[in-house]
Amino acid sequence: QVQLVQSGAEVQTPGASVRVSCSASGYTFTSYYIHWVRQAPGRGLEWMGLINPSSGDTFYAQKFQGRVTMTRDTSTSTAYLDLRGLRFEDTAVYFCTRVPEGLYYFDDWGQGTQVIVSS
Amino acid sequence: DIQMTQSPSSLSASVGDRVTITCRATQNIGSSLNWYQHKPGRAPKVLIYVTSSLQRGVPSRFSGSGSGTDFTLTISSLQPEDFATYYCQQSYKTPWTFGPGTKVESK
Repeated sequence: QVQLVQSGAEVQTPGASVRVSCSASGYTFTSYYIHWVRQAPGRGLEWMGLINPSSGDTFYAQKFQGRVTMTRDTSTSTAYLDLRGLRFEDTAVYFCTRVPEGLYYFDDWGQGTQVIVSS
Repeated sequence: DIQMTQSPSSLSASVGDRVTITCRATQNIGSSLNWYQHKPGRAPKVLIYVTSSLQRGVPSRFSGSGSGTDFTLTISSLQPEDFATYYCQQSYKTPWTFGPGTKVESK
């Protein structure tokens, strides 16, 4: 069955960087765009951007441009989210999710990765 | 960016109640509107996509309607497992954006 398994929780200091991984299985990795969505404490869902695992093309929400990089490793069917210059307000649960080719909704999700930014 | 609003922000309801949540977009998004259910500590789950298509495995008590800028999610008979937060999300144009959520609580 389809699984998106994310890396474990992270605690980082302000200004540091964090990498969250999303390991996909149960489907053809390059057939589904991977998006990243986060939820800060007490806040709603926030879309961060996407990567096309086939081409490596990315599109980021303007809010994160300059601080975020999304990459993928097709040999291991893993997508990565790198966020730099961490701020307290980046404390959130980060989810990877996939969008079926030709469709426009998130059908499967990773379990979420808690990132805490604390001094 | 397309902004999404939802109303109400929260509601209290009882098992068996009919629940309606509305979502509005700041511009015409056609039918590119999806609904998700989110419970604490869990990943969100798609309920409805493209305004009114029921995701496989989702109970038929969930339904969606609307077009253009105004959309509705209806739960025909609320069940205990339906207490959660519901988000609309537009996929008409990047950046894809979510509504602020509607929390459905037990009365």
